[in-house]
Amino acid sequence: EIVMTQSPATLSVSPGERATLSCRASQSVSSNLAWYQQKPGQAPRLLIYGASTRATGIPARFSGSGSGTEFTLTISSLQSEDFAVYYCQQYNNWPPPWTFGQGTKVEIK
Amino acid sequence: QVQLVESGGGVVQPGRSLRLSCAASGFTFSSYGMHWVRQAPGKGLEWVAVIWYDGSNKYYADSVKGRFTISRDNSKNTLYLQMNSLRAEDTAVYYCARGISYLNHWGQGTLVTVSS
Repeated sequence: EIVMTQSPATLSVSPGERATLSCRASQSVSSNLAWYQQKPGQAPRLLIYGASTRATGIPARFSGSGSGTEFTLTISSLQSEDFAVYYCQQYNNWPPPWTFGQGTKVEIK
Repeated sequence: QVQLVESGGGVVQPGRSLRLSCAASGFTFSSYGMHWVRQAPGKGLEWVAVIWYDGSNKYYADSVKGRFTISRDNSKNTLYLQMNSLRAEDTAVYYCARGISYLNHWGQGTLVTVSS
């Protein structure tokens, strides 16, 4: 099973600042990586797939990069609605399971 | 618009069974793979199972293999998760989600509590 490790566990950022979240895979997942946002009491929402493609309706301030084992989600200028938990998920290995990282909480500094 | 509505959660004793349902609307259900993902209270997301659009392939997390069965009825636009031999560690919100690889639409979840 591929293990996904996210860092940091918690990121304290001021509104308007940039946030950089990391996700590392225990073995290469190529570009088969997605990012999700989850707010309290809500279901997760897809932000990024294919490591760098924004999902429908996702603002341009969200960007993803990386391939292989190292990935980054960048939020260029944090808005109040962006404070949430973010998860990465790999969908590369065959057959599944397709595993999630443990999450990074982005909180207001 | 795409809508996924889970139901069937509740409180169940250890060792008992429960069946979850996910009613889909707003898209051609029979054309999409579907997943179950769970989230224990205060914890992260755990992928549980996936089923192909036509039910031909099914895969499970090791933690539920042999106890849980994913299925679908394309004539009813409904996804199911049969959960047997439930354990305390199965306590979680269970989400259904659309997609084969990444999950681009999620339901709001149904809470399953396994407790005596």
